[in-house]
Amino acid sequence: GAVVSQHPSWVICKSGTSVKIECRSLDFQATTMFWYRQFPKQSLMLMATSNEGSKATYEQGVEKDKFLINHASLTLSTLTVTSAHPEDSSFYICSAPTGGHNEQFFGPGTRLTVL
Amino acid sequence: DQQVKQNSPSLSVQEGRISILNCDYTNSMFDYFLWYKKYPAEGPTFLISISSIKDKNEDGRFTVFLNKSAKHLSLHIVPSQPGDSAVYFCAAAPRGGAQKLVFGQGTRLTINP
Repeated sequence: GAVVSQHPSWVICKSGTSVKIECRSLDFQATTMFWYRQFPKQSLMLMATSNEGSKATYEQGVEKDKFLINHASLTLSTLTVTSAHPEDSSFYICSAPTGGHNEQFFGPGTRLTVL
Repeated sequence: DQQVKQNSPSLSVQEGRISILNCDYTNSMFDYFLWYKKYPAEGPTFLISISSIKDKNEDGRFTVFLNKSAKHLSLHIVPSQPGDSAVYFCAAAPRGGAQKLVFGQGTRLTINP
């Protein structure tokens, strides 16, 4: 099946710094990608929809100035966590649909720890 | 408000027996439902899905049942195997929702030898 990769797989940073997470579709093009966040023992929460060539759309309660999304090409979306705080520590996962409801492939996730 | 709920955080089943994972939803606009399996530190992988026009879908050892009147779906795994041990998420997509998925909290399934 289709493959979605994320980089880095884990990152530790200091409070106040910015962290960039990349999501790539390796063998297909994705005009749309989704970014999720998962806290320990909780559900995956959709943060935003990344749209190639246009602005991302954010879910209610997600600060667009804090979580910057850039969908630079049909195979790459980046999520930048700006001025990171310890409460931003979480597991961030992206997904890319290839068409249809069930053809949504998830990346392996990025574990962010903010000290 | 949690629109998709998995009320059992964990389930333990003996190898070879049937595993039944349950999921309830509240939003009647959902018209497509999916089950994903997730291992620690990995992204979810798609298992099986069902459209709201059906009440059952089967794929090998996995069967999903949908009861629209009760807003309830379940995933049956039979026979259960040790490799099935993982966290299972149900997810729902709204009508015309452009593949935006709403996930339940997950159920950790442990298959005991």
